[in-house]
Amino acid sequence: QKEVEQNSGPLSVPEGAIASLNCTYSDRGSQSFFWYRQYSGKSPELIMSIYSNGDKEDGRFTAQLNKASQYVSLLIRDSQPSDSATYLCAVTGTASKLTFGTGTRLQVTL
Amino acid sequence: DVKVTQSSRYLVKRTGEKVFLECVQDMDHENMFWYRQDPGLGLRLIYFSYDVKMKEKGDIPEGYSVSREKKERFSLILESASTNQTSMYLCASSFSDSVYEQYFGPGTRLTVT
Repeated sequence: QKEVEQNSGPLSVPEGAIASLNCTYSDRGSQSFFWYRQYSGKSPELIMSIYSNGDKEDGRFTAQLNKASQYVSLLIRDSQPSDSATYLCAVTGTASKLTFGTGTRLQVTL
Repeated sequence: DVKVTQSSRYLVKRTGEKVFLECVQDMDHENMFWYRQDPGLGLRLIYFSYDVKMKEKGDIPEGYSVSREKKERFSLILESASTNQTSMYLCASSFSDSVYEQYFGPGTRLTVT
């Protein structure tokens, strides 16, 4: 079992819709959770972090964390074509390092 | 604005060559990291450093070494390049009080032939 699992996609949503990206992790000791966005041919950039159960909102982005279910998600409201990218989930483990999922590719269609 | 730069965007080397990848950050970050990114495998940590002259192995250190002589510079060394080290190499940096909020450089696409 991979430490951090994401559906590779592509996840296709129409412009203006809500995109829902999901991530599960295996280490129950994980404390910090991050979402990075990576445009094709570019490097990852941090867009959200979440440290406690519940929701955290930042503009059109909402991160959701459920530690009991070992599940973290990213919602993108009013999706725009510029949101088309690969979204990487990253989780800290007991080894005090960041472990990345392989990413979900999001396509926002016109 | 945080800036992390890497010495080359594209690099082609031959098997057995010694390869140096350089990374420089201008935000006085304490932590620096080297990752490689491969399709289907995601980002994997090679080495990291929390301070000058300090280094720690990541998940896949075999075949690599690192050097951090100055706070702003972190070098990745492939002692004897092999074809299975063909990959995208990404450097990142962060502050000590926010280790996991990492800023990435543009990457170096290394091809070993």
